[in-house]
Amino acid sequence: DGGITQSPKYLFRKEGQNVTLSCEQNLNHDAMYWYRQDPGQGLRLIYYSQIVNDFQKGDIAEGYSVSREKKESFPLTVTSAQKNPTAFYLCASSGYGGRSSYNEQFFGPGTRLTVL
Amino acid sequence: RKEVEQDPGPFNVPEGATVAFNCTYSNSASQSFFWYRQDCRKEPKLLMSVYSSGNEDGRFTAQLNRASQYISLLIRDSKLSDSATYLCVVNFPTGANNLFFGTGTRLTVIP
Repeated sequence: DGGITQSPKYLFRKEGQNVTLSCEQNLNHDAMYWYRQDPGQGLRLIYYSQIVNDFQKGDIAEGYSVSREKKESFPLTVTSAQKNPTAFYLCASSGYGGRSSYNEQFFGPGTRLTVL
Repeated sequence: RKEVEQDPGPFNVPEGATVAFNCTYSNSASQSFFWYRQDCRKEPKLLMSVYSSGNEDGRFTAQLNRASQYISLLIRDSKLSDSATYLCVVNFPTGANNLFFGTGTRLTVIP
């Protein structure tokens, strides 16, 4: 089955620790995205990547880092510099990373991160 | 002004009712429009794309008004299973396929 997987589903982190969230897709999509969702707010873009070995900052990149060494994988590291990391993190992919209409994004099931 | 604005609701409607949501967007150059559905503590899932001519999928109808910069979603004959949060999503005409998400409108269908 084609799709996007994220792991872990739940993650607990102590203050001062870095953690890495996994995102894998087998849809052969070029573009991948990371969002965070907080209660009462819309999804906010953290980072995105249109092609392997390239990525761009989104609206709230501070305190996060990513890599895109393989087309299928786009891990997100939440560093200790992120002041308020507790949130629901969603990874998405889309079939075309360039200017195009009607290229919806498909989401993984999300990782719920809690800082203790 | 937010890129995408929606009435957060909640909308509480009885089974069988017709309910409509509107959403406004700020960038007149936007080209792609979607409605996503998000169940509690789950990921958003595409409900339907919104085309210039309007489109229908069963009980769901989406329409786009470019002049007024809003899109709408109409749900007819509401089912209990329609209870969810509906996200209005708009692309912005940059080089990337970036989407902007509204905060969502919460719908509860009551037996």
